[in-house]
Amino acid sequence: AQSVTQLGSHVSVSEGALVLLRCNYSSSVPPYLFWYVQYPNQGLQLLLKYTTGATLVKGINGFEAEFKKSETSFHLTKPSAHMSDAAEYFCAVSRSKTSYDKVIFGPGTSLSVIP
Amino acid sequence: DADVTQTPRNRITKTGKRIMLECSQTKGHDRMYWYRQDPGLGLRLIYYSFDVKDINKGEISDGYSVSRQAQAKFSLSLESAIPNQTALYFCATSAQERLGARYTGELFFGEGSRLTVL
Repeated sequence: AQSVTQLGSHVSVSEGALVLLRCNYSSSVPPYLFWYVQYPNQGLQLLLKYTTGATLVKGINGFEAEFKKSETSFHLTKPSAHMSDAAEYFCAVSRSKTSYDKVIFGPGTSLSVIP
Repeated sequence: DADVTQTPRNRITKTGKRIMLECSQTKGHDRMYWYRQDPGLGLRLIYYSFDVKDINKGEISDGYSVSRQAQAKFSLSLESAIPNQTALYFCATSAQERLGARYTGELFFGEGSRLTVL
């Protein structure tokens, strides 16, 4: 069975500081991994994804994540936080193409950016 | 216009009432999903459909039913609403693997329907 854990339900950073949001997963097969962002009163939108190939993945708005198979992690980072980054962030995992696919979401991390 | 549209966006109802949440999409995707979001629990899958004739239960389907009226329409019903169904509900779509189109697993979400059951 697959599962996703996100360490820290709430993270606060100062504007301009490094953003690090942690995600660990369990999967019996090589996964597809995703980070989604949810701005207030909006749906989720994809930040970035890892399917195959390069383990360092770059996404929108300056975010990136690195797939580390040995650590079963897919942490999200951004070098310098901006006020507009305040949102809820969800890590998700999906099996690769099989008889059916299902995306499992982590519980989410709320990011606050302090001026 | 949004690619995935949910109606209503907000609804307050009473215990025991029947409620329908509707979702329509213009992305041309075969796969559609209903998720429920609760604070601290992330998103949990209620039902999903891979095409008009294919409906599957997710992890929390009890108390819910769905109808796939067309490729572009997927509705969620609460036959007799109860207060613990108060939540934010999301419809999502994804593309199916086809010749020349690789499956990526990416989901495309509507803006959500906030349901309050009193």
